[in-house]
Amino acid sequence: QVQLQQSGAELAKPGSSVKISCKASGYTFTSYDISWIKQTTGQGLEYIGYINTGSGGTYYNEKFKGKATLTVDKSSSTAFMQLSSLTPEDTAVYYCARTGTTLPHYYVMDAWGQGASVTVSS
Amino acid sequence: DIQMTQSPASLSASLGETVTIECLASEDIYSNLAWYQQKPGKSPQLLIYYANSLNDGVPSRFSGSGSGTQYSLKINSLQSEDVSIYFCQQNYDSPPTFGSGTKLEIK
Repeated sequence: QVQLQQSGAELAKPGSSVKISCKASGYTFTSYDISWIKQTTGQGLEYIGYINTGSGGTYYNEKFKGKATLTVDKSSSTAFMQLSSLTPEDTAVYYCARTGTTLPHYYVMDAWGQGASVTVSS
Repeated sequence: DIQMTQSPASLSASLGETVTIECLASEDIYSNLAWYQQKPGKSPQLLIYYANSLNDGVPSRFSGSGSGTQYSLKINSLQSEDVSIYFCQQNYDSPPTFGSGTKLEIK
């Protein structure tokens, strides 16, 4: 079955960086994009961006340009998101999700990781 | 960005009842609308895409409808396992955007 296994919770200091992983299994990794989504109690769900797992090409929501960097390792079917210059506003649960690449599935997220909690505190 | 306005914010209903959740887009999204269910402490799961197409394995008591800017999710014969937060999401334009969620509880 399709599974996305994310790395564990992170506690980070303001100004530092964290890198979250998302290991996919149960399907052909390069047939789908991987999206990243931020969830907070106050702001709900926000779309960060996606990576084309075949080409490594990326799209970032304007709001997250400079904050998030998406990469992929096809050999291990793993996607990564690095968050830099962390502030308390980056405290959230971050999800990776398998994402369709053609209409009507474009930007439709049909399998999600379990989420990775990131807490930014001094 | 396209704004998605979801209502109501919370909903309480009895077992066996039918409930409807609404989602209004700030512009025409041409049926490019998905619904997700997030059970307590879990990650969101896709229920419906393209406004009315049921994702694999989703019970038939869930249905979606709508067009243009107005969409709805209907849950027939409410069951205890339906306690969740439900989100709509437009996938018509970049960036995809989500509604603020509807929290469904059982009376």
